[in-house]
Amino acid sequence: GEDVEQSLFLSVREGDSSVINCTYTDSSSTYLYWYKQEPGAGLQLLTYIFSNMDMKQDQRLTVLLNKKDKHLSLRIADTQTGDSAIYFCAETNDYKLSFGAGTTVTVRA
Amino acid sequence: DSGVTQTPKHLITATGQRVTLRCSPRSGDLSVYWYQQSLDQGLQFLIQYYNGEERAKGNILERFSAQQFPDLHSELNLSSLELGDSALYFCASSVGTQPNTGELFFGEGSRLTVL
Repeated sequence: GEDVEQSLFLSVREGDSSVINCTYTDSSSTYLYWYKQEPGAGLQLLTYIFSNMDMKQDQRLTVLLNKKDKHLSLRIADTQTGDSAIYFCAETNDYKLSFGAGTTVTVRA
Repeated sequence: DSGVTQTPKHLITATGQRVTLRCSPRSGDLSVYWYQQSLDQGLQFLIQYYNGEERAKGNILERFSAQQFPDLHSELNLSSLELGDSALYFCASSVGTQPNTGELFFGEGSRLTVL
């Protein structure tokens, strides 16, 4: 998705925090999302944030939204080996979700 | 298990051929979306159907077509296949017409290899 940009790779040590960043273009997006794709599986919704919020926390996940800069981030606290996956940022655009290229997160022991 | 079923899981075919990918949405979901995931293009939206009608069209080639049947299952037809069509094709479903709350449920995908 050319409207949503993310870094492609992130390597993190087990137990550390992971931060995945994303920039989007459609300022009218009502919701912004983070999806997770594990190997051999489809995408699964992790969390979403309404556009009038700055932050949303859900257990180990923290989403930060900077509407002025159109910047979205996902922080995973105490990263575990099971968090190794591809993480997609997405925005609503008319009738569809537009996804970024995905950030591959590798958790090393 | 998302409740979205896609068949076949894997498909290998030759250039110039035609294939059909099938998707059964989650029970109760009226919208079906098709996405193409490739290494160089990322996840690209192809087309959406809602209750049998085409709702939105994305980067879908003219060689590709889709439909949603009365029982709400959907098929994606890919014809005159080229090497560059090799990709993972995902189907997703949602209850309504717009994925406002992000509740798209994805199938496991159909991996198409064109030789």
